[in-house]
Formats: sequence, structure tokens, C-alpha cells
Amino acid sequence: GAVVSQHPSWVICKSGTSVKIECRSLDFQATTMFWYRQFPKQSLMLMATSNEGSKATYEQGVEKDKFLINHASLTLSTLTVTSAHPEDSSFYICSARDYSLTDEQYFGPGTRLTVT
Amino acid sequence: AQKVTQAQTEISVVEKEDVTLDCVYETRDTTYYLFWYKQPPSGELVFLIRRNSFDEQNEISGRYSWNFQKSTSSFNFTITASQVVDSAVYFCALSEVNFGNEKLTFGTGTRLTIIP
Repeated sequence: GAVVSQHPSWVICKSGTSVKIECRSLDFQATTMFWYRQFPKQSLMLMATSNEGSKATYEQGVEKDKFLINHASLTLSTLTVTSAHPEDSSFYICSARDYSLTDEQYFGPGTRLTVT
Repeated sequence: AQKVTQAQTEISVVEKEDVTLDCVYETRDTTYYLFWYKQPPSGELVFLIRRNSFDEQNEISGRYSWNFQKSTSSFNFTITASQVVDSAVYFCALSEVNFGNEKLTFGTGTRLTIIP
């Protein structure tokens, strides 16, 4: 079946540094990937929609200069949290669309970011 | 605007009991998808079901069943003969049909604990 991976699965960084999270579709091509954020014991909130070869579309209230998204290939999207602060600590989950099959969204296992 | 309400924040039942998780949604679209996902403690989202708004037939999959009532905008999920492995957070979600950019709107989730 369709598999989406994320790397790293968890990361701890110091305040002010930048962190890059990768999302890969392992056995299918994903023209669209989505990035979600989940705070502890809360729901998933869509941050942005990433389309291969074009700029990401950010949801209202999400700072595009802080959360840089690059979708340079059909199997890889990256989310870079720039100048991270403790309030950015969260669980980041990506999903990828597989239009060649069922157009389902397949979710990655998530990346837990802790900013100290 | 789309909205998904899961009024039950937490539910605890004794193993082998049946349990129903409620989901009520709001949308102005006439065509949409409804989903249920399971999120165990590991964090990874597990897809359970997708239902098209035109298909109001109830569905059964093993111990799981879903009741879609368009008249009341509800998409409830029942687990029969619950097991400890069913303990997780369950999310109901709604997606518009916007070819290429179907964004998921998640409910706040219901934390289900099965007591052995």
C-alpha cells in the first residue's frame, strides 16, 4: 500500500535555530502534500497545502516566512521551521495524495518537535 | 466554512462493551467526503473509512460500523465488543471535493479508553 515517511520522527532544538522536516511518499507520486500541526491533546490543524513545482498555499494565521515549505519533487516535501521558539513545539504530520490510485490522503507517522 | 463536532471528549468503557462515537458536521457543499481516523499513542493516524456524501448506506467492517445520516448531518462510529487495542483517539473529518486540493477539517477527537 501507499506509504508516507517523515524524518526525523522526533527532534529537539534550541530556541532560535531552524529545523527541517522531510515528508516522502515511498511508493507513489504525490503532486499534493499537506502539512498539519497537532498540539498536545488537540486536533490536527491544516497549516498549508503543498503542490509540486509551485508555491505552497498557507492557511489563515500560519506565517509563511516562519514555516517554509518546499515541494521540489513528486515524492518529497519539506517543512522548515525557521527561528524556532518554544511555542512551535508540536507534533507535525504530513499527508500525501495519490491521484493515480484512489486519490486518498496517506498520512506520515509524524514528527515531534520540541524547542527548548 | 466547514466544521466537525465531536462532543464526546473522553469515553471509557469496559472491554467487550459496545461504544458509539458521535460526529456531527457542517458544510455548505453538496458533495463532500467524511472520514474516521484512529490515532493510537504512537501518534500515527490510521485511516478507517471514507464516505462520499451521496452514499448514505451504513457500512460494517468487522467490529466497526458507521451510520451516516445526512438528514441530521451525522456520521457516527460504533465499535462492537470493544477490545483494549481499540484504546486510542478517534477523529472524524470532513473534506470538500475540490479536485486537486481536498483539505481535511478534523473534529477535536474522542479519546476512547477500553478498560480490561
